[in-house]
Amino acid sequence: GENVEQHPSTLSVQEGDSAVIKCTYSDSASNYFPWYKQELGKGPQLIIDIRSNVGEKKDQRIAVTLNKTAKHFSLHITETQPEDSAVYFCAPVERQLTFGSGTQLTVLP
Amino acid sequence: GAGVSQSPSNKVTEKGKDVELRCDPISGHTALYWYRQSLGQGLEFLIYFQGNSAPDKSGLPSDRFSAERTGGSVSTLTIQRTQQEDSAVYLCASSFIGDYGYTFGSGTRLTVV
Repeated sequence: GENVEQHPSTLSVQEGDSAVIKCTYSDSASNYFPWYKQELGKGPQLIIDIRSNVGEKKDQRIAVTLNKTAKHFSLHITETQPEDSAVYFCAPVERQLTFGSGTQLTVLP
Repeated sequence: GAGVSQSPSNKVTEKGKDVELRCDPISGHTALYWYRQSLGQGLEFLIYFQGNSAPDKSGLPSDRFSAERTGGSVSTLTIQRTQQEDSAVYLCASSFIGDYGYTFGSGTRLTVV
């Protein structure tokens, strides 16, 4: 099955700085690469995704980049705000979403 | 409904008892998933229902765990003879078949004492 590794496990940034979270996967057949945000007491929420035929996708302050050759994809958040503080999960698809172990992002005011 | 609804939101049970967790997916979503999230961990896949096809049970950790989906809508996850290691948040998600943009419920926090 899919082996997913996510780094870092915790990340603290100053408000306004950028944050980058990286995810590596093992299944070369994976073709869908989403990122989920989970706030305390809630289920994960899809924030951005990318398919294998695209190298980068942006949506306002967030972006995802994909390197299929190296089998990794990254989440980029620019101009971070306190409300970005949450746990972020990558979840590349094998037969269903396979979640990474999560990154606790803390944005310091 | 407007979102995925799970009940109860919290459940405390004694070791050895059976529990049932309920998931009401978004109306029209034909795929339904159950995941388990232990404290501070990622999500562990349990089971996947896809329309009228046989469910993918490959993630169920033991034969104490079972799930059913009646009428292609509501799903129930049953854990028999609960153990302390079953304590976790159980999350349900739904989607259209072939759409990997899952919508998750808020989960059921199960505590086995």
